Amino acid sequence: NAGVTQTPKFQVLKTGQSMTLQCAQDMNHNSMYWYRQDPGMGLRLIYYSASEGTTDKGEVPNGYNVSRLNKREFSLRLESAAPSQTSVYFCASSEGLAGPRYTQYFGPGTRLLVL
Amino acid sequence: RKEVEQDPGPFNVPEGATVAFNCTYSNSASQSFFWYRQDCRKEPKLLMSVYSSGNEDGRFTAQLNRASQYISLLIRDSKLSDSATYLCVVNLGEGAQKLVFGQGTRLTINP
Repeated sequence: NAGVTQTPKFQVLKTGQSMTLQCAQDMNHNSMYWYRQDPGMGLRLIYYSASEGTTDKGEVPNGYNVSRLNKREFSLRLESAAPSQTSVYFCASSEGLAGPRYTQYFGPGTRLLVL
Repeated sequence: RKEVEQDPGPFNVPEGATVAFNCTYSNSASQSFFWYRQDCRKEPKLLMSVYSSGNEDGRFTAQLNRASQYISLLIRDSKLSDSATYLCVVNLGEGAQKLVFGQGTRLTINP
């Protein structure tokens, strides 16, 4: 049981390049999330998917797109990377959206540097 | 006012001490509350959920004060391994579909 996995672990991009961050969970969870974490800012929600087939914007969606490929997988795409997107990206999943089902389980993170 | 506020610390306490953190939240309709722990350069991990009646897990005690809109975490007999950043997490209200994370409180336990 791997929980939540993310690839890649590290990435260096040049400004304007694109890339997709992959996330998969094997806990049969309905809801999945993408966060970014910056020093002094805490975790900020980029996009989330309440259930398979739905996606919604979070607090900081600009410059990102997401795809809920199936129940297991939720990808995050940067179409044209900018230095301001240098951050640590975490994917998370939860069983649902209420009470204890809200408990989120996180992947190990992707460290992205945009030059 | 931020939706979830924590004292960022850092808190430096000697091993064996008792330490407490508070976290305030702005939405009185919030229903779900959690404490997460994050080690340096690692992902956040659930430490404990916070229930209305308060709850305890070994050396850790979490309490909720709805009237004053804050939750607290108490760590007794602190260990070196308790050194981490502790994140307060709250939902935005009934039916809300996302959680809000506090900035985190950094704790260092000194030998």
